[in-house]
Amino acid sequence: DIAMTQSPDSLDVSLGERATLNCKSSQSVLSRSNNKNYLAWYQQKPGQPPKLLIFWASTRVSGVPERFSGSGSGTDFTLTISNLQAEDVAIYYCQQYFTTPALTFGGGTKVEIK
Amino acid sequence: QVQLVQSGAEVKKPGSSVKVSCKTSGGTIRSYGFGWVRQAPGQGLEWMGGFVPRLDTATNAQKFQGRVTFSADDSTNTVHMEIRTLKSEDAAMYYCASGGGWPPYFFDSWGQGTLVLVSS
Repeated sequence: DIAMTQSPDSLDVSLGERATLNCKSSQSVLSRSNNKNYLAWYQQKPGQPPKLLIFWASTRVSGVPERFSGSGSGTDFTLTISNLQAEDVAIYYCQQYFTTPALTFGGGTKVEIK
Repeated sequence: QVQLVQSGAEVKKPGSSVKVSCKTSGGTIRSYGFGWVRQAPGQGLEWMGGFVPRLDTATNAQKFQGRVTFSADDSTNTVHMEIRTLKSEDAAMYYCASGGGWPPYFFDSWGQGTLVLVSS
């Protein structure tokens, strides 16, 4: 099984500043056959189900603000929230699908306003 | 993007079973693959397994093998997830989710969640 480790556990960021969230997989999720990273990011607000933000490590879902961006390859990935807004307060999860149909989520990073 | 509506909260005794339903609208269940994800109180997301009605194919996370089964009802466009021999640690919010095809990659549609409480 591929284990996903997210850091930090929580993050306090001032409004308008940048939040950097990290996700590390225990083995590479980069496919050599198609050069794609099998990594997605979700946002979960209190009392709501998760919402898909990014897939293939860096492809933003239609309608997701451009301030959300994903980067990284292989085993190390980053979700960056530029110009943090109040509505971005949430827990963010990464998920690997390299070993589909077996999937794994990271433990989550909680983003709050400083 | 399919809409998913789940059944209501359940209170169960340890050792019993619970069946959670997930009804689709905006598409037949045979057009999609489904995953089930649970979230214990204050905890992260845990993938439980997945099911594709069209292929009658299912896969479970190892920790749930032998205790969790999936099924589908074409007449009501509903998929089900049943957990047997409930333990206190099964108390959680259970989500059905879909990302379209099979095998699942990521999930762009989620149900609202079904809260399962386990208490004697």
